[in-house]
Amino acid sequence: IAGITQAPTSQILAAGRRMTLRCTQDMRHNAMYWYRQDLGLGLRLIHYSNTAGTTGKGEVPDGYSVSRANTDDFPLTLASAVPSQTSVYFCASSPGDRDSDTQYFGPGTRLTVL
Amino acid sequence: SQQGEEDPQALSIQEGENATMNCSYKTSINNLQWYRQNSGRGLVHLILIRSNEREKHSGRLRVTLDTSKKSSSLLITASRAADTASYFCATFDTGGFKTIFGAGTRLFVKA
Repeated sequence: IAGITQAPTSQILAAGRRMTLRCTQDMRHNAMYWYRQDLGLGLRLIHYSNTAGTTGKGEVPDGYSVSRANTDDFPLTLASAVPSQTSVYFCASSPGDRDSDTQYFGPGTRLTVL
Repeated sequence: SQQGEEDPQALSIQEGENATMNCSYKTSINNLQWYRQNSGRGLVHLILIRSNEREKHSGRLRVTLDTSKKSSSLLITASRAADTASYFCATFDTGGFKTIFGAGTRLFVKA
């Protein structure tokens, strides 16, 4: 693979269910990010990781958790999904250069919570 | 809260015309970036301009930055139907390690 991949592409989920969105990059980037995109609101940062073993909260972290056990993977977990978490979720990575932080995005996961 | 705010929210032009999108931000920045998103796809980085630069070019793209006004503009010259997409500005602030995206400008180029 080349770049950053996400799985699944789309998912319909019943409220209250647990769900993990997967994200993998093969660029050996230090930093990784999870965003949600809702119409008219642009991208909002959920969680981020500056390097393997560390994570941080973004703008809208409630209801979500992440882990960064290694450099390549950055899964996002919804412990108990609610309808307001219906959104398109994008994973991104960047080299972690404090001077630029250009981000590379995955194709997204479209999640519907009923 | 959003750091960057794009203007206009939507823009419709004819093929061959120039498209100008503006971005305003609130705090001190290290650099400002523009990204493009085709419908249903992830964002793709277009161009980065550093805080000590005033203008930058890349192909048909021209970006300006005015740090005194905390604003940037993206000009796409001789637009094509394939330029139809949403365009986002993103700022990398000097105080942290986060890039913050605006809500985007939706550009529609009519063939």
